[in-house]
Amino acid sequence: ETGVTQTPRHLVMGMTNKKSLKCEQHLGHNAMYWYKQSAKKPLELMFVYSLEERVENNSVPSRFSPECPNSSHLFLHLHTLQPEDSALYLCASSHRDRGGTEAFFGQGTRLTVV
Amino acid sequence: AQSVTQLGSHVSVSEGALVLLRCNYSSSVPPYLFWYVQYPNQGLQLLLKYTTGATLVKGINGFEAEFKKSETSFHLTKPSAHMSDAAEYFCAVKAGGSYIPTFGRGTSLIVHP
Repeated sequence: ETGVTQTPRHLVMGMTNKKSLKCEQHLGHNAMYWYKQSAKKPLELMFVYSLEERVENNSVPSRFSPECPNSSHLFLHLHTLQPEDSALYLCASSHRDRGGTEAFFGQGTRLTVV
Repeated sequence: AQSVTQLGSHVSVSEGALVLLRCNYSSSVPPYLFWYVQYPNQGLQLLLKYTTGATLVKGINGFEAEFKKSETSFHLTKPSAHMSDAAEYFCAVKAGGSYIPTFGRGTSLIVHP
């Protein structure tokens, strides 16, 4: 149990489908992150939500749409994905204001686009 | 700006041998440094971290790392590798008031019997 829960753990979707990934943390953190991890590629930071601020990686396609309704929940909405979007999607959370504290990661969602 | 370089995408050792995974960072201010481990199809788990104080940091599973400011390094070591140590290891840095960590590309540790 890492304190950060991601659902579903596995997802197979067609290129025309719409699905959402969910992340939940009850650690009292005030920053939440989405990362993409593809085979043989480095961790890619996609989006960060912290307080009223949203940070996004400009290279992330618009077919990925994040939503953060409150400090404990984070979603990643997916639509018209491509096969190259198949990857492990990791959610993380941390204290924004405590520099020496680490990020806590969820178990990830393994996404396969067919 | 902060950055991390992990030398070697793969490191292979025999069971019982010394493990050394290299991490060098770039930061214009004192950094916070982290090592994470990732097992297949799992999230990242913190092994150890350096914030302030003692430069030799001990973590879980017998791992330790030493912060060397003069070398801008934070190498991860373990005296004796175990088969269960086979995993992906990531070094990360936070510095300059940024709350967003920067991760290295990762090093895959392979342990041979």
